[in-house]
Amino acid sequence: SYVLTQPPSVSVAPGQTARMTCGGNNIGSKSVHWYQQKPGQAPVLVVYDDSDRPSGIPVRFSGSNSGNTATLTISRVEAGDEADYYCQVWDRSSDHPYVFGAGTKVTVL
Amino acid sequence: VQLVESGGGVVQPGRSLRLSCAASRFTFSDYPMSWVRQAPGKGLEWVSAITRSGSSTYYADSVKGRFTISRDNSRNTLYLQMTSLRAEDTAVYYCAKDKGFRFDCWGQGTQVTVSS
Repeated sequence: SYVLTQPPSVSVAPGQTARMTCGGNNIGSKSVHWYQQKPGQAPVLVVYDDSDRPSGIPVRFSGSNSGNTATLTISRVEAGDEADYYCQVWDRSSDHPYVFGAGTKVTVL
Repeated sequence: VQLVESGGGVVQPGRSLRLSCAASRFTFSDYPMSWVRQAPGKGLEWVSAITRSGSSTYYADSVKGRFTISRDNSRNTLYLQMTSLRAEDTAVYYCAKDKGFRFDCWGQGTQVTVSS
């Protein structure tokens, strides 16, 4: 089955840029979606189809995807961005097609 | 768009439980739906999915043969029947609306604890 690899943690100072990766075999050929989850809350979709943002998501959140790595970038990081971030793809070749990465904990210093 | 899960609780190993997810403010029958769970301190795990009509279903290997997903489009409700529950099924269970193979709306979750 398809595997997504995320770094366990990323630390960033307020106002700086946070980048987190999501690795997978030829992930550039798939659509990657990103979710933000704050403690005790349900996940929220922040980027879909590699780089699109749902309505209400700040432009500070952006995404890219190429080769074997997708990246979520948070510009001008704020304290409220501290959360777990999960990438997800749909693997059409699998009987269990929805795949999540293990998540990256973003800590705002 | 609103999704509200119910039916969670504490259950002994080997017993059964049925979760429900009531949908509102969107045309429920137009969207595939999924259940996603999160064990304590762990990441998100997709559990099961169902097509718009309910004609096709999909399961993670960890629950295949024990869990059954279904839906009642006339009642705007999604279900997850869980049997032969194990300690490792302990988690918060979320229902999620599928729009283009991504989950654009999630419920608040319902806690399932499997313990003797």
